[in-house]
Amino acid sequence: GESVGLHLPTLSVQEGDNSIINCAYSNSASDYFIWYKQESGKGPQFIIDIRSNMDKRQGQRVTVLLNKTVKHLSLQIAATQPGDSAVYFCAENSPYQLTFGKGTKLSVIP
Amino acid sequence: DGGITQSPKYLFRKEGQNVTLSCEQNLNHDAMYWYRQDPGQGLRLIYYSQIVNDFQKGDIAEGYSVSREKKESFPLTVTSAQKNPTAFYLCASRSQGQGRTEAFFGQGTRLTVV
Repeated sequence: GESVGLHLPTLSVQEGDNSIINCAYSNSASDYFIWYKQESGKGPQFIIDIRSNMDKRQGQRVTVLLNKTVKHLSLQIAATQPGDSAVYFCAENSPYQLTFGKGTKLSVIP
Repeated sequence: DGGITQSPKYLFRKEGQNVTLSCEQNLNHDAMYWYRQDPGQGLRLIYYSQIVNDFQKGDIAEGYSVSREKKESFPLTVTSAQKNPTAFYLCASRSQGQGRTEAFFGQGTRLTVV
């Protein structure tokens, strides 16, 4: 479960490099997952989603990978830009339950 | 435009006072949620509601209260029993069931005790 009181893990990436943010989930029956981006002082915004009948889904510069065997999600950001600096959350979007991961802070080094 | 609106954006509370944070959505969503976020930390669930006139406690409900008299509205009251209320509060809504959408968030209310 979530460790209340601990600060978010941080990923520092050089501008132009690719970023990979990971997320583990607990419910093997979960079938719909979402990644959110939260910029400082703002509410989280939808980036990309994936359903359990897919292993991979691509958007603009972002790719989400789903490994149901080990209950793991990853978000890949290509050619990371300063504007990508934010906190990223994964979410299990079950029919009647919504569960967020701890979050990862991405810092882009110019 | 459809969306979810939180107000006010900034709120100051004196010690011992109750304050109410507003959350309104016009997305026709059944479910609504309140989260607390402390600096540099993740989202912690305070309360949620899956239908009008019903709500459940989340992980950190102590010192908070909610109501859900209308589908569109889910106000959060931070009571004087909440000893450390300074935080960023986020409201979210979504549809549920097999046709569910992603959760949509408001822009947050930053509450400070003075």
